[in-house]
Amino acid sequence: QVQLQESGPGLVRPSGTLSLNCDVSGGPLNRWTWVRQPPGRGLEWIGELYNGGSSNYSPSLKSRTSISLDKAKNLLSLRLTSVTAADTAVYYCAEVRDGYNYYYIDSWGQGTLVTVSS
Amino acid sequence: DIQMTQSPSSLSASVGDRVTITCRASQTISNFLNWYQQKPGKAPKLLIYATSSLQSGVPPRFSGSGSGTDFTLTISSLQPEDFATYYCQQSYSSPPITFGPGTKVDVK
Repeated sequence: QVQLQESGPGLVRPSGTLSLNCDVSGGPLNRWTWVRQPPGRGLEWIGELYNGGSSNYSPSLKSRTSISLDKAKNLLSLRLTSVTAADTAVYYCAEVRDGYNYYYIDSWGQGTLVTVSS
Repeated sequence: DIQMTQSPSSLSASVGDRVTITCRASQTISNFLNWYQQKPGKAPKLLIYATSSLQSGVPPRFSGSGSGTDFTLTISSLQPEDFATYYCQQSYSSPPITFGPGTKVDVK
């Protein structure tokens, strides 16, 4: 069973860069995603990494987002630049399972709250 | 982007009730529709994938149906542990993957 654990600063200053890591254990790194959830609101897909280096990003966040992978450390990372209060959210990393006629988000980390504030 | 809507946005129900939640996509998504359950302070949990396939370990009182643009999650007999928020998610057209706004099921 894959296990994921997010880590990173809980507070980021406005206009700064949000950087989070996701420690993955118990499985190979195949296809991975980041999803966020502002307090009291719904889920928003940020982007994904697959095939060892290919990536997709939400168009609304693409210009500010980077997802990377350190295979040696089994570490998935998220970087979001020029943050504002609107980026305050719980950030989840998760494993994606995909095939010919399915694509779903399977195992999730516990999530980490990042607050953007001065 | 494909927009997802859910109805109702919230509902009140009692243990033992049959509960139905509807999800609609702004364009056809074939069967690429998943359902997640989320409890307060917890990560979402996959219930149903590819419209009607039950994730391993999920009780059979949960079922999904639909195709094209209209989909349904049904809980045949609501249990105390089922009070939660439910999200649909399309994965037919990416990027981006999109989620519905959620349906909160609470105690009547």
